[in-house]
Amino acid sequence: DAGITQSPRYKITETGRQVTLMCHQTWSHSYMFWYRQDLGHGLRLIYYSAAADITDKGEVPDGYVVSRSKTENFPLTLESATRSQTSVYFCASMTSPSRRYEQYFGPGTRLTVT
Amino acid sequence: TQLLEQSPQFLSIQEGENLTVYCNSSSVFSSLQWYRQEPGEGPVLLVTVVTGGEVKKLKRLTFQFGDARKDSSLHITAAQPGDTGLYLCAGEISGSARQLTFGSGTQLTVLP
Repeated sequence: DAGITQSPRYKITETGRQVTLMCHQTWSHSYMFWYRQDLGHGLRLIYYSAAADITDKGEVPDGYVVSRSKTENFPLTLESATRSQTSVYFCASMTSPSRRYEQYFGPGTRLTVT
Repeated sequence: TQLLEQSPQFLSIQEGENLTVYCNSSSVFSSLQWYRQEPGEGPVLLVTVVTGGEVKKLKRLTFQFGDARKDSSLHITAAQPGDTGLYLCAGEISGSARQLTFGSGTQLTVLP
């Protein structure tokens, strides 16, 4: 089905392990984003990408790595997971920028770091 | 520091009542959006406002963008249980290189 998908939907991992969260969109949108959502903080931008092979840091990039070799995929890697990275992670996409920065979100990945 | 302040943080009302949710900032926004998020799902875009003073209506929902483009409000008339959810405002700050800043949200519960 077309749209934006994330996998896995739920993940439990241990402190220090590497974890990769996947994001795939079928709209060929140029822009893709990774957010984390925590109580009291709303959605905070981790990284974003304007096109394949172009990525940039957001508000809270420390401890995360992204890549974008193909337009449709934007994986997020936690190199060495910490308990503070327990959160719900959302991927979003957006078509070429205009005056309306309207983003379309995936269903989220709930990550627990023990 | 939260650039976008939403109020109230929590709101519980009876079906049929009216309510208003506020989104305020000291920054000027090129555009501002409202999203609704249900448990276990991602936010879904409701509306985008781009012009100071703009008012948009979506059935029972009325969205207003402040004249100075620093604030916005969402008014729901005759709320229904289906309106229950987390309402998020998000703004593109002028000159912010295509990033959206989100408010922390208003959790609305409409009781039958």
